[in-house]
Amino acid sequence: GDSVTQTEGQVALSEEDFLTIHCNYSASGYPTLFWYVQYPGEGPQLLFRASRDKEKGSSRGFEATYDKGTTSFHLRKASVQESDSAVYYCALGANYGNEKITFGAGTKLTIKP
Amino acid sequence: AQTIHQWPVAEIKAVGSPLSLGCTIKGKSSPNLYWYWQATGGTLQQLFYSITVGQVESVVQLNLSASRPKDDQFILSTEKLLLSHSGFYLCAWSPGTGGNAEQFFGPGTRLTVL
Repeated sequence: GDSVTQTEGQVALSEEDFLTIHCNYSASGYPTLFWYVQYPGEGPQLLFRASRDKEKGSSRGFEATYDKGTTSFHLRKASVQESDSAVYYCALGANYGNEKITFGAGTKLTIKP
Repeated sequence: AQTIHQWPVAEIKAVGSPLSLGCTIKGKSSPNLYWYWQATGGTLQQLFYSITVGQVESVVQLNLSASRPKDDQFILSTEKLLLSHSGFYLCAWSPGTGGNAEQFFGPGTRLTVL
């Protein structure tokens, strides 16, 4: 079945540091890949998505590029802020006619001022 | 603008008691609807989805059931709660079909089973 692997369970950085959260997936065909962000006590909200090889998604200074060759969709940000502290989820949606969405385990990002 | 409302905000229930959680979407006709469960500190597990009134598909079996009695309403229920049902329940809607559409999540219901 489909799966999403996020390598980092927790990341702690200082303001203005560079961020990378690794996401690798396993699925057939061309799934759609998502990054969602969740703040405490709230539901997740979409950061961005990508549906094709080499497509780049971006929002709020975060970006990720769909790489079918390495089956990856790593999240990056050049300079993090304290307000970026949240849990980040990589997710995968199948493109073959069903509604199943598979989420990764999540990465808790803490930014120290 | 579309709004999604979940009720109740939080519940504390006894093992073996029944449960009913609700979700309503306003401002969007014929949305795709979803239920997710999130253990404390855990990932999101998709439970059910519905593309149309009266039709619900199960993704995982957790001794829960779901129904869609109206176009804008999605209900999650069980007759007998287990300790393992504790967690955060999220309803979501999507404007499109297939797994490539953005999902919009509600504020969630926090369930504690004692």
